[in-house]
Amino acid sequence: GQSLEQPSEVTAVEGAIVQINCTYQTSGFYGLSWYQQHDGGAPTFLSYNGLDGLEETGRFSSFLSRSDSYGYLLLQELQMKDSASYFCAVRGNAGNMLTFGGGTRLMVKP
Amino acid sequence: ETGVTQTPRHLVMGMTNKKSLKCEQHLGHNAMYWYKQSAKKPLELMFVYNFKEQTENNSVPSRFSPECPNSSHLFLHLHTLQPEDSALYLCASSQGRGPQGEQFFGPGTRLTVL
Repeated sequence: GQSLEQPSEVTAVEGAIVQINCTYQTSGFYGLSWYQQHDGGAPTFLSYNGLDGLEETGRFSSFLSRSDSYGYLLLQELQMKDSASYFCAVRGNAGNMLTFGGGTRLMVKP
Repeated sequence: ETGVTQTPRHLVMGMTNKKSLKCEQHLGHNAMYWYKQSAKKPLELMFVYNFKEQTENNSVPSRFSPECPNSSHLFLHLHTLQPEDSALYLCASSQGRGPQGEQFFGPGTRLTVL
């Protein structure tokens, strides 16, 4: 089976740094993705880790440790517009199927 | 705008109705997907189409019937649904088995079954 665990909610203040963790148990592993979804909106792709280490894209970074079946999304210099749900998703093989975690609702406060 | 459109955006139907959801992608992708998103549950993959061929059916009840006439269009035909089928139905597309497998999502259809 496939399961991904991430915290259901995280609260942080504007300008701070927040880390959203994701642990996974899957029958296969090819890569870990992160998606952002604002209320009423569509999920949008943020980042992908196929290899161990850190990937940086502007204020957002994503990390993967395959040996620990663990990854995280790091958001720096938080802005109010970062308030959204963040989903980790595992790609189990070279195909195109993704298994999503339950999502982490991030609330950024002034 | 992600290049993936869905219609209708909202749908209310009775359990005996038949309706269809439509998805269109303008990105030249060759894979399309249907997902179900219910409150407090992970996104659930329903169907995957690669080059118009259905490659995955994630144990979806037969009251949901997908159709993919070409690589740009995807339909989800609904009949005799149950109230627990009320959810946001998301369509997505991707460039097949690309290196990152990035999927582009449409805005979804909010379905309410009475």
